[in-house]
Amino acid sequence: ILNVEQSPQSLHVQEGDSTNFTCSFPSSNFYALHWYRWETAKSPEALFVMTLNGDEKKKGRISATLNTKEGYSYLYIKGSQPEDSATYLCVDSGTYKYIFGTGTRLKVLA
Amino acid sequence: DTAVSQTPKYLVTQMGNDKSIKCEQNLGHDTMYWYKQDSKKFLKIMFSYNNKELIINETVPNRFSPKSPDKAHLNLHINSLELGDSAVYFCASSHGTLGNEQFFGPGTRLTVL
Repeated sequence: ILNVEQSPQSLHVQEGDSTNFTCSFPSSNFYALHWYRWETAKSPEALFVMTLNGDEKKKGRISATLNTKEGYSYLYIKGSQPEDSATYLCVDSGTYKYIFGTGTRLKVLA
Repeated sequence: DTAVSQTPKYLVTQMGNDKSIKCEQNLGHDTMYWYKQDSKKFLKIMFSYNNKELIINETVPNRFSPKSPDKAHLNLHINSLELGDSAVYFCASSHGTLGNEQFFGPGTRLTVL
């Protein structure tokens, strides 16, 4: 994998459903993986920064895991709410790089 | 109190003009960034300054020149504006290196007519 790829590109879920999406990144020269939440007409807000293989971070109903050896991270949202609707971005960062993924656009239907 | 602020929020100008966008952060961070949100809504880093020194300079036209008068400010000056420069530009800041979370400004929507 040469780029930072996220899947799915977009998804709709019903309120109360749990969901997850994937970020894939080059596993070589890994430094840190970031997750951001970006609501329409606002600016990105940091959710997590993860650096160690096997890292798990949690903030409320949102959690993330990291596998640096195979180059992927999962973001989980438990019991989705309409206010979770946003684009979720992952970022592969290093000493002189900060590469955004294409994002997963989540829409939670009430 | 706004952590990362940008001015102006909207900028409409004619092709060929020179314009500047200002960014200020009151978080005490030592690293600041400029991003361009392209037509496909992707964010791409343009520049990064650490302690007023340029550390990232991606492939952007040399019509774009960042200026950092102090650690709290990183301004973006654009010469001879072109239609393709129309985009939303985001400023951000962080403490230390790229491994730390970044705090983004509200964005400046530039429209070149």
